[in-house]
Amino acid sequence: AQKITQTQPGMFVQEKEAVTLDCTYDTSDPSYGLFWYKQPSSGEMIFLIYQGSYDQQNATEGRYSLNFQKARKSANLVISASQLGDSAMYFCAMRYYQLIWGAGTKLIIKP
Amino acid sequence: DTGVSQDPRHKITKRGQNVTFRCDPISEHNRLYWYRQTLGQGPEFLTYFQNEAQLEKSRLLSDRFSAERPKGSFSTLEIQRTEQGDSAMYLCASSLEGENTEAFFGQGTRLTVV
Repeated sequence: AQKITQTQPGMFVQEKEAVTLDCTYDTSDPSYGLFWYKQPSSGEMIFLIYQGSYDQQNATEGRYSLNFQKARKSANLVISASQLGDSAMYFCAMRYYQLIWGAGTKLIIKP
Repeated sequence: DTGVSQDPRHKITKRGQNVTFRCDPISEHNRLYWYRQTLGQGPEFLTYFQNEAQLEKSRLLSDRFSAERPKGSFSTLEIQRTEQGDSAMYLCASSLEGENTEAFFGQGTRLTVV
């Protein structure tokens, strides 16, 4: 069965530091997609970055990059130069037919 | 296109009443999803449509929940005889077909059953 695990319930990070949010997944399907979403306190779910299982390179989108280690089944999100506006819940998800979600990590950026 | 929109944004209802939520997806998206999210948790899948066909429904979805997408455009989610445990954020998302396509979410409908 497909499963996403996020082991960090919460993180505090100093502004301008880089932060890594952990995500491991489990699937027997050779073809899958991994997604990261940000959910600020307003509640809207905002797409950040995508990694396909066959992609050879790690995905990057601006300050966001995905550290994809297929053999270890991990897809960690790296945010470089964190900003106060990065404070939010972050969810890792895997596309099966619908999205399967982790429990999320609450990230708080300290000034 | 302004993205996925959901209506209403907030709903307070008395236990036992019926409620209906609406979702308007991005116009060219043929897939539409409903999720439920409680505080501090990740979204929980409820059901999804491809065009007007409801292709999957969570086993967690009781018979009090029903969803429709009659013309393959907007969708409605109805909850009959609401219970306090139904209080949650109900999220709608849409996407193109395919494993590598991101889902775009609406701002959600927050339901409070009193």
